[in-house]
Amino acid sequence: DTGVSQDPRHKITKRGQNVTFRCDPISEHNRLYWYRQTLGQGPEFLTYFQNEAQLEKSRLLSDRFSAERPKGSFSTLEIQRTEQGDSAMYLCASSLVRGGTDTQYFGPGTRLTVL
Amino acid sequence: SQKIEQNSEALNIQEGKTATLTCNYTNYSPAYLQWYRQDPGRGPVFLLLIRENEKEKRKERLKVTFDTTLKQSLFHITASQPADSATYLCALNAGNNRKLIWGLGTSLAVNP
Repeated sequence: DTGVSQDPRHKITKRGQNVTFRCDPISEHNRLYWYRQTLGQGPEFLTYFQNEAQLEKSRLLSDRFSAERPKGSFSTLEIQRTEQGDSAMYLCASSLVRGGTDTQYFGPGTRLTVL
Repeated sequence: SQKIEQNSEALNIQEGKTATLTCNYTNYSPAYLQWYRQDPGRGPVFLLLIRENEKEKRKERLKVTFDTTLKQSLFHITASQPADSATYLCALNAGNNRKLIWGLGTSLAVNP
């Protein structure tokens, strides 16, 4: 399977704990995105990378969230001191930007539940 | 402010009919617009892309139109089937390799 993969698929944690999610993009893709999605809403942009450079981070994102893409391949998203409001589906997408278009391929998501 | 609007209410149609979903935007001049399908508990899946200089794009039973004067895209599914039931998202890009901006999606239910 050469699609986008995410790990874990589900995570249940207690408030105040730290969690880390991993995303493996499609290998030749140069862009990687993280989104958060809650029921009935569209994907909410969190951050994105072009190769290993983090080009943008949502202003809505608190300092508890951090993402890395150390070698321009896989990426991790860490949430520190989780809160109940962090409960959501976290989606990763990758794309190969060329010809000015950015068609994104999504992973299955990681569903986070904060108790 | 810049925003994208999709039908907020769920669309229920009878099998075999044509489903039409709407995506309106304000204060953007997108270079292109995309439509994605999302099933419950899964990530969105790309369906179609239409550029600003294209009026219409087709793929099998799917058709997308793009009216830059009205700032609107319409997404049609002809001969709809229960398997088409899902949430459909539109997303647009304002050019210069900027990230996609997403609508909230419209839920479609096709009844047998």
